[in-house]
Amino acid sequence: GEDVEQSLFLSVREGDSSVINCTYTDSSSTYLYWYKQEPGAGLQLLTYIFSNMDMKQDQRLTVLLNKKDKHLSLRIADTQTGDSAIYFCAVKTGGYQKVTFGTGTKLQVIP
Amino acid sequence: DGGITQSPKYLFRKEGQNVTLSCEQNLNHDAMYWYRQDPGQGLRLIYYSQIVNDFQKGDIAEGYSVSREKKESFPLTVTSAQKNPTAFYLCASNDGEAFFGQGTRLTVV
Repeated sequence: GEDVEQSLFLSVREGDSSVINCTYTDSSSTYLYWYKQEPGAGLQLLTYIFSNMDMKQDQRLTVLLNKKDKHLSLRIADTQTGDSAIYFCAVKTGGYQKVTFGTGTKLQVIP
Repeated sequence: DGGITQSPKYLFRKEGQNVTLSCEQNLNHDAMYWYRQDPGQGLRLIYYSQIVNDFQKGDIAEGYSVSREKKESFPLTVTSAQKNPTAFYLCASNDGEAFFGQGTRLTVV
C-alpha cells in the first residue's frame, strides 16, 4: 500500500517562509493534498495538486511536486502566528480513490 | 451551504456497547471515508466507500462496521469488538477535492 511520510515538527520565526515536506511511495497517485488542522478541529483543505502538475500557487501557499522523487512540499510565505497548526499531506491513489495521510507536521511559529 | 456534517461532536460509550457515528454530506460526492486520529498521531483509514452499496476496508477496519445505503450518508458503528475505541473520528467525502467534517470525539467510560 501507499506510505506517506512527513517530518513531525517545524519551527519558524514570524515573517519567514515555512517549507513542509512530504514523500510518498505510489507512483500512480492522482491527487495530492495539503490539509491544516487546528487543535480539536477537523481538517481544512488548503490546496491540492494534480499529479500532472509541477507547481501550484495560491496566495501565500506554493505547492511543488517532484514526481520522479515522489516528493511534495508546501511553502507558506510570510508565516504568521495564525499558521501554527498541524499540516497533513495526503495522497489519492488510483481507481479505488483511497486517500492515505501522512503523520502530520506540527508547525510552530515564533513571534 | 454544501458540506459534511458529523454528529455528535462528543460521544461517550460504556464498555461493551456499540455506538454509531453519523456522517452526512450534501456535496453530491460519490466517495466517502472514515478516519481515526489518536492524540499526537496522523489519520488512519478505517473504511471507505466509492459508491452507494459498496465499501472497502481500510487499514484498521477491525471492530468497526459501516453501511452506505444512501449517497449522502456513511455511518460508522464502533462495535464492542474494538478494544481501544477512544479517539477522534473524522469523516470525509471526495470528488477530486476531499473535504472533512469537524469530527466526533469518542470516549469510553
